[in-house]
Amino acid sequence: DTEVTQTPKHLVMGMTNKKSLKCEQHMGHRAMYWYKQKAKKPPELMFVYSYEKLSINESVPSRFSPECPNSSLLNLHLHALQPEDSALYLCASSQGISGPKGETQYFGPGTRLLVL
Amino acid sequence: AQTVTQSQPEMSVQEAETVTLSCTYDTSESDYYLFWYKQPPSRQMILVIRQEAYKQQNATENRFSVNFQKAAKSFSLKISDSQLGDAAMYFCAYRSADFGNEKLTFGTGTRLTIIP
Repeated sequence: DTEVTQTPKHLVMGMTNKKSLKCEQHMGHRAMYWYKQKAKKPPELMFVYSYEKLSINESVPSRFSPECPNSSLLNLHLHALQPEDSALYLCASSQGISGPKGETQYFGPGTRLLVL
Repeated sequence: AQTVTQSQPEMSVQEAETVTLSCTYDTSESDYYLFWYKQPPSRQMILVIRQEAYKQQNATENRFSVNFQKAAKSFSLKISDSQLGDAAMYFCAYRSADFGNEKLTFGTGTRLTIIP
């Protein structure tokens, strides 16, 4: 089973709101990723967690705050977002071990975020 | 830095026919992985096929196969017996084989339409 789940599916928030996106996997994967995808564009990497430690931050603004409470769960906390942050936010996971299968990323269905 | 180029923004094919999507990449590394992902209008990114650079044999998965030309840095995807469910955006992606270098570099995508 290669299932990554994300909640909520849709989110509308104002620029002063605080909200969180949640991602979960039960495949025993040890690497988890957040991507941002604008319409008709490829995903852009935001953060990588490897063995519950933040290993990559692609210079993402501090209004996005990732959290990895345990190896199965990844959150993205949102605060004071701008309308240009409206996008599809994708979560992915991989085994986190060396080798082609270990490093293949599996994606969740995404959260469609609209910032008003 | 690695780059991935998909020169065909849109392609169409008659149902049951064969179509080939092109992808080229640029890297100075000798060991890496290449992927094709499919993103249907329902938006979940699905792994189609994976190729290890050190393997000369082209990967196949049912109706999907690749033509991997390492010297030419080319990685095309062939879809045989096209079906309506194949309609999607297809992304080519590159990943270094260096363990810990988790970044996936995507091409700009090819939107595939299946004509009934």
